Parts: sequence; structure tokens; C-alpha cells
Amino acid sequence: GENVEQHPSTLSVQEGDSAVIKCTYSDSASNYFPWYKQELGKRPQLIIDIRSNVGEKKDQRIAVTLNKTAKHFSLHITETQPEDSAVYLCAASTPGNTPLVFGKGTRLSVIA
Amino acid sequence: KAGVTQTPRYLIKTRGQQVTLSCSPISGHRSVSWYQQTPGQGLQFLFEYFSETQRNKGNFPGRFSGRQFSNSRSEMNVSTLELGDSALYLCASTPTWANTGELFFGEGSRLTVL
Repeated sequence: GENVEQHPSTLSVQEGDSAVIKCTYSDSASNYFPWYKQELGKRPQLIIDIRSNVGEKKDQRIAVTLNKTAKHFSLHITETQPEDSAVYLCAASTPGNTPLVFGKGTRLSVIA
Repeated sequence: KAGVTQTPRYLIKTRGQQVTLSCSPISGHRSVSWYQQTPGQGLQFLFEYFSETQRNKGNFPGRFSGRQFSNSRSEMNVSTLELGDSALYLCASTPTWANTGELFFGEGSRLTVL
């Protein structure tokens, strides 16, 4: 089945800097790649997703890029703010009757 | 529209006991998925139910079971609790397939096994 690896597990950046989190997946048939943000003690919430027919997607300060050949996708956060501090979870799924598989998460700390 | 509701939010059990957790999905959502979240393993898929049928099951022992009712509410049960079962159990609902769109998560049920 699908396996998703996420790096780094922790990331600290200065406020205003950019943050990049990378995930690799194992199943070349995967076609849906969402990113969730989980603030401390809160539920995971979808922040952006990308499908395999698109190479990049942006939403204000966040963007996701997908490299199908290398089987990896990345989350980019620009102009980081303290409220961006959270655990970020990537996931991947294949078509059909299969579950969404998550990476182990990245704890991002934005230092003011 | 009310979000996904999980009860209880916190519970403490001892080894060998069993526990039942409940999840009420967003109105109109027919798919409910359950995940176990631990610091070391992240979010691990337990099972997914759709229209009262288990559609997928993760790699967990048979002590973990679930069901879904006709109103889409779901329960999961863990029998013969072990210390390693201590975790945050999250459920998520979606209108149809759980692997093609946004998962709407509940706040979770935090289980501590002593």
C-alpha cells in the first residue's frame, strides 16, 4: 500500500522567513495530495490540496508543488507569522477504494 | 452547519478494560473514517464506514472494531485495552469517498490507558 514520508519532523524559522516541508510517496498511482494544519489541541484542518494533473497551486502565502516523476510534493509558506506555528500533515491517496495515508507530521515553530 | 462531534473528549481507562467512542458526522455526510494519532506514529488509519458498511480497514488488531448506524453516526470500540492504545482518536466525515476531497475532522477523543 501507499507509504508517505515527511521531512523535517520539526522546523523552526524566524518570523517573515519562508518554510518548506517535503513529502515523498511510494505509489505512483497516487493522485490526490492534501495538506492539513493542526494547531495545538485542535482538529486537523485542510489548508490546501493538489491533484496529479496540476504541478503547482497557490493560495495567498501558501503553495504546494508536485513532482510526479520523483514522487514528492512540498508545502511552501512565505512570510511566516507566529500564527503559522502548528503541526502540518501531508497525505496521499490513490484512486478507488483506498484510504488517505498521512505522513507523520512536521511541527513548525515561527519565532517572533 | 454543525461540525463533526466526538464524545467523550477525554477518558481514562485501565489495562484490560474496553472503551467505546462515538462520532457524529456533519449532516449529510455518509462516510466516516477513524484515525489514531500518536506522537511517534502520526495519523494512522483505522477504518472507514460508508452507508453502514465497512469500506476499508487499516492494519490494527481485531481488538479495534467499529460500526456505523443508519443516521451515519459511528462508534469505535477497543477491547482489552493496552498501554499502547493511549492516543488521540480522530474521526472525520466526508460526503462520499474519503480519499478524494476534504476530510472534516472532529476534535478527537483522548484516551489514556493506565
